[in-house]
Order: sequence, then C-alpha cells, then structure tokens
Amino acid sequence: RKEVEQDPGPFNVPEGATVAFNCTYSNSASQSFFWYRQDCRKEPKLLMSVYSSGNEDGRFTAQLNRASQYISLLIRDSKLSDSATYLCVVNSNAGNMLTFGGGTRLMVKP
Amino acid sequence: EPEVTQTPSHQVTQMGQEVILRCVPISNHLYFYWYRQILGQKVEFLVSFYNNEISEKSEIFDDQFSVERPDGSNFTLKIRSTKLEDSAMYFCASRSPGTPGYTFGSGTRLTVV
Repeated sequence: RKEVEQDPGPFNVPEGATVAFNCTYSNSASQSFFWYRQDCRKEPKLLMSVYSSGNEDGRFTAQLNRASQYISLLIRDSKLSDSATYLCVVNSNAGNMLTFGGGTRLMVKP
Repeated sequence: EPEVTQTPSHQVTQMGQEVILRCVPISNHLYFYWYRQILGQKVEFLVSFYNNEISEKSEIFDDQFSVERPDGSNFTLKIRSTKLEDSAMYFCASRSPGTPGYTFGSGTRLTVV
C-alpha cells in the first residue's frame, strides 16, 4: 500500500466552483499533515498545515480524520490561479522526513 | 520573504561524472533536507541534516551520495558517479525549530546523459 495516496486527477472545474481533494495515509503514527501546492516544474510551496480540529485559510479548508487516516482539502470559489498540483504531505518522524503523495492536478477553466 | 537559494538551476553532466548541487538555506533555520523528484513522479526524501550530521536518510541515499555543510551558509549534495537514473529535479529545503513547515528552494534540474 502506498504511504500517501491521492487521486491523480485531473480535476477540470469552471471558475467559481467548489472542489474537494482527498488523501489517505498508511502510517498511523504520523504526526503532522500538510497540503502543498506545486506548479509545473516548480518547487512545492506550503499551502496549509492540517489540524485535527479542521482549519480554514480564506477559500481553503482542510480536515483531518485520524481514525480513518484521511485528509481532505476543500477549495471554494476556484480561481484560474488555483490551477496547480496539490500535494498531500505527511510527516511521520518528528520533523525529519516528509512523505509526499503523488499529487492531484487541478485545472480551473474560465 | 526569506528564501532557500539553489544553484545551478540546471546542470547537465555525463554519466559517471561527479556533480555538486548547492543550496543556501534560510539563515536562522537549523534543519536541512534534500529531496528529489523524477519527472512525472512524486517528491522523494533523500536526507535530513541537523547539527552538522545526517539525522536520517532514505534507501535512495546510497554511498554515491554525500552531503556537507562546509561553512555557515552553504549546504551541498554531492553525487559521486552519476547514473542516468539520477536525472531528476533536486530540491533543497530548510526548517526552523518548532515550526512544521519546510521552505523549499526552486530546485536544480539534473540531467545525466
């Protein structure tokens, strides 16, 4: 089983749509969880950390379900500039190593 | 905004040659990392470095790889004898103690021919 698993997409959505991505992880000892964004041939950039209580940053909402080992990201009111690959990332070892999912590609169209 | 700087942005090398990829982490960060991403694949952990020594490394980081922090600012990744399968984007990252998020550099695209 892959350590961090994501639907690769692509998700093609119109501007203004709401889109949700899911991610599952296999290591129940995982401690920290993140969503990163990666544009084509660029470095990953931290979008937001994910907390058990759920957290929101503007149009972005992240949820964590530790019992199901499941992480989600919701994007409301999609913009063209949201087009990118969204990486689910898990830290399983007190900060020393990030494990990346394969990413979900989002394409927002006018 | 502070950033992690990597040089060169693109390196082409012949198989069997040694390459050194350079990184300047953010100045007050204490944890340093190298990751790689083969084209079309996921980002993979190579090595973490703290307090002037390797704290963890992956199976990818074999004897052909080494890291060094030769002075107070640079952090380098050396590949001793490059193979075709070493072709990838190599990302350096750094992190401050107590913060979970990493800052990644813009990467070095290594092409082995």
